[in-house]
Order: sequence, then structure tokens, then C-alpha cells
Amino acid sequence: KNQVEQSPQSLIILEGKNCTLQCNYTVSPFSNLRWYKQDTGRGPVSLTIMTFSENTKSNGRYTATLDADTKQSSLHITASQLSDSASYICGGGYQKVTFGTGTKLQVIP
Amino acid sequence: ETGVTQSPTHLIKTRGQQVTLRCSSQSGHNTVSWYQQALGQGPQFIFQYYREEENGRGNFPPRFSGLQFPNYSSELNVNALELDDSALYLCASSLRVTRTSGVTDTQYFGPGTRLTVL
Repeated sequence: KNQVEQSPQSLIILEGKNCTLQCNYTVSPFSNLRWYKQDTGRGPVSLTIMTFSENTKSNGRYTATLDADTKQSSLHITASQLSDSASYICGGGYQKVTFGTGTKLQVIP
Repeated sequence: ETGVTQSPTHLIKTRGQQVTLRCSSQSGHNTVSWYQQALGQGPQFIFQYYREEENGRGNFPPRFSGLQFPNYSSELNVNALELDDSALYLCASSLRVTRTSGVTDTQYFGPGTRLTVL
């Protein structure tokens, strides 16, 4: 059974600080690992997408890493801003994507 | 803005009724995927349409059905609504891209339709 587990479930950080979110996946067949940002009640917005042969991908202050051997990915957010407050969801697979339940990030002044 | 639109924004139905949700894909995208997202959960894959044909289905019963039209817009139909069908329904359009590192399909999500079943 395909599974994606994310940690932590929730996180509070001070504005300007960095943070790292984790994603462990068991998805077969695996070809893509995706990170999305989702504001409450809105559709997810794509941050990064990596194939199994890539191990890092950046999008501004967001950097995702992928270790296909350990089936782990992380999303690093640099110099956090209040607007980064949202849920971050990780998904594995191509076409039929399995998503985790997300990490809820709150950035406070 | 992803260019993916969904209608209606909100919908309230009663148990046993039927509902049709609509999605217009981003220009140039020939693939549409539908997801159900319950409160506090990640999106769950319902099915995908590629060039008007169903191209993969998740663990949802047959009362969840869909269509894709020649302009690549799509509909999700749910019959015999149950209370547990209350959720945010998301559609995502995509286009397959082949890179030197492999094949990807960034899925661009619409804003969703919030369905409440009473």
C-alpha cells in the first residue's frame, strides 16, 4: 500500500528563522516527489517536483531534497515570512499521486 | 493563479442526492486529475482523465464517475451522496514533460469545490 508520512504535524517558528519539514514515502511505482503549499480552504500550489534521479530542487526560499535510497525528502524554508504560514503537503508518484496529511506551519512575528 | 477554475465554489446537498462538479483545465493541458480532501487530511486521488479516457483510478466506489470533454475540461459526478462525501474536491490539470532527469507532470490545482452533505 502506498504511504506518505510527514513530520512534524505542526510547527511554530519565529519570522526570519529557517525550518525543515520531513517526508517519508513508500510509493510504487515511484517517479516523482512533489511539495505543495496549501492555504486553508484553497487549492495546493506547487513548490517543487523532482524525479527519482534528482536530489535537490530550489524555488526561491524553498529547497527540497530527495534521497531515493532511504525514501526520504525534506523541504527547507529559509528566512521565513509571515506569508509562509500554511500547510505543506508532500506527494509521491506519477499521475496517481499519494499525498501525506501535511505539516501545518505557523510563522509568528 | 494557476489558470484552473472550478465550479461551483460551495455546494450543499442532502444524503442520496447526486452532484456534478466542473473543472476547466489550464490552457494546453490535456490531463485532469480529481482529488477528495477531507478536513485535516491530504488530497486523495479519485481518478485521472487523459485525452477523454480514464487513465487511472483510486479506491473510490463506482458512484464516483467522471468525464473529460474535447476541450479538456472535466466533470466529476457523485451519485447517492453519503455524509462522508463532505469534503473539498480538487481538480488538477497537467501536461507530461520529459526532462533529461525523467518524466514529470506538475499538477496545477484549482481552488476546489467545498461539498457539504447533510
